[in-house]
Amino acid sequence: DIVMTQSPDSLAVSLGEGATINCKSSQSVLYSSDNKNYLAWYQQKPGQPPKLLISWASTRESGVPDRFSGSGSGTDFTLTISSLQAEDVAVYYCHQYYRTPLTFGGGTKVEIK
Amino acid sequence: EVQLVESGGGLVKPGGSLRLSCAASAFTFSGYSINWVRRAPGKGLEWVSSIGSTSTYIYYADSVKGRFTISRDNAKNSLYLQMNSLRADDTAVYYCARGSGPHPWAAFDIWGQGAMVTVSS
Repeated sequence: DIVMTQSPDSLAVSLGEGATINCKSSQSVLYSSDNKNYLAWYQQKPGQPPKLLISWASTRESGVPDRFSGSGSGTDFTLTISSLQAEDVAVYYCHQYYRTPLTFGGGTKVEIK
Repeated sequence: EVQLVESGGGLVKPGGSLRLSCAASAFTFSGYSINWVRRAPGKGLEWVSSIGSTSTYIYYADSVKGRFTISRDNAKNSLYLQMNSLRADDTAVYYCARGSGPHPWAAFDIWGQGAMVTVSS
């Protein structure tokens, strides 16, 4: 199984400041045939279902603010929030869809400092 | 509006059974893989099962293999999860989530609101 390890478990950031969440996979999720990283990021707010923010490691979904960006390749990935807004308080998860069993990271809780 | 709506959750005793349903609307259901993902109280997301658009590909997490069965009826735009031999650690909110393509190896781009399943005596 591909294990997804997120860090940190939680972070508190001042409004307007940047936040960085890391995700490391135990095996590469880069598929050589199409040169795509099978890695997604989700945001889950309390009482709501998860929302897809980024797929293919760096492709932002339609309607997602451009302060959210994804980067990385192979086994190391990063979700960056460039300027934290109050509505960004949530738990963020990375997810590999390269191979079954599909797996999620443990989540990173983002709060306002 | 593209949406998925789960139903069938509830309270069940250990060893019991429950069947979840997920109704899709406003998209071509038969063109997409669909998944079940759960979140236990105080825990993170856990993938449960995936089914491809034509039911050719079906996969389960080890934690539910042999106890849960995923199926779909493309004519009814519906997905199902038959859960047998339920245990306390199956207690969770169960989400159905659309894969962004016909095969299971896709990000989950549309999620339902979730159905609560509680396994307790």
